[in-house]
Amino acid sequence: DAMVIQNPRYQVTQFGKPVTLSCSQTLNHNVMYWYQQKSSQAPKLLFHYYDKDFNNEADTPDNFQSRRPNTSFCFLDIRSPGLGDAAMYLCATRGQGNYEQYFGPGTRLTVT
Amino acid sequence: LAKTTQPISMDSYEGQEVNITCSHNNIATNDYITWYQQFPSQGPRFIIQGYKTKVTNEVASLFIPADRKSSTLSLPRVSLSDTAVYYCLVGDYRGSQGNLIFGKGTKLSVKP
Repeated sequence: DAMVIQNPRYQVTQFGKPVTLSCSQTLNHNVMYWYQQKSSQAPKLLFHYYDKDFNNEADTPDNFQSRRPNTSFCFLDIRSPGLGDAAMYLCATRGQGNYEQYFGPGTRLTVT
Repeated sequence: LAKTTQPISMDSYEGQEVNITCSHNNIATNDYITWYQQFPSQGPRFIIQGYKTKVTNEVASLFIPADRKSSTLSLPRVSLSDTAVYYCLVGDYRGSQGNLIFGKGTKLSVKP
């Protein structure tokens, strides 16, 4: 089945140690998103790619970076994780001209 | 993007019909109304989308009055597995800037 895959599902990192979360999709969607969701809060959009065009939300910290080497893969890099970055990170995709976003299962990041 | 207002929480019992209303007074002409469902520790899942009048699928119905300043998600005969957070989103999500901005959502608790 076509889907959005996120690896790993759980990630533990140390304060200040760079970490990379990955997302892949078999839907061939041209739009990919990264969201941050903290406990009992709504998902918050960090950035998105429309094809290769990168779009950063105004309030996304510089500590968060992203890479999209091809249509299928997208990475979220947190350069120096702080305790406040502990959250669920959700990847989503959307096909051009469509409304529906397809979300992955998320990666739960713990910062120790 | 139009701001949405929903009840923070709702309680229901198995077998009942649940109606969740969302207010979006400043909805724009090109905006669509979309609802997502999110279970704990999972990514949101698309439920239904509409522009005006009524939309029905195998999961839910969406009622939109003529002025489009509100919408009601109707879940027929809920079960325990419908316990989740339901998000109402309003916007024109098709283009390169078509992003989802999640509001606080409604936490639905279904009891036996």
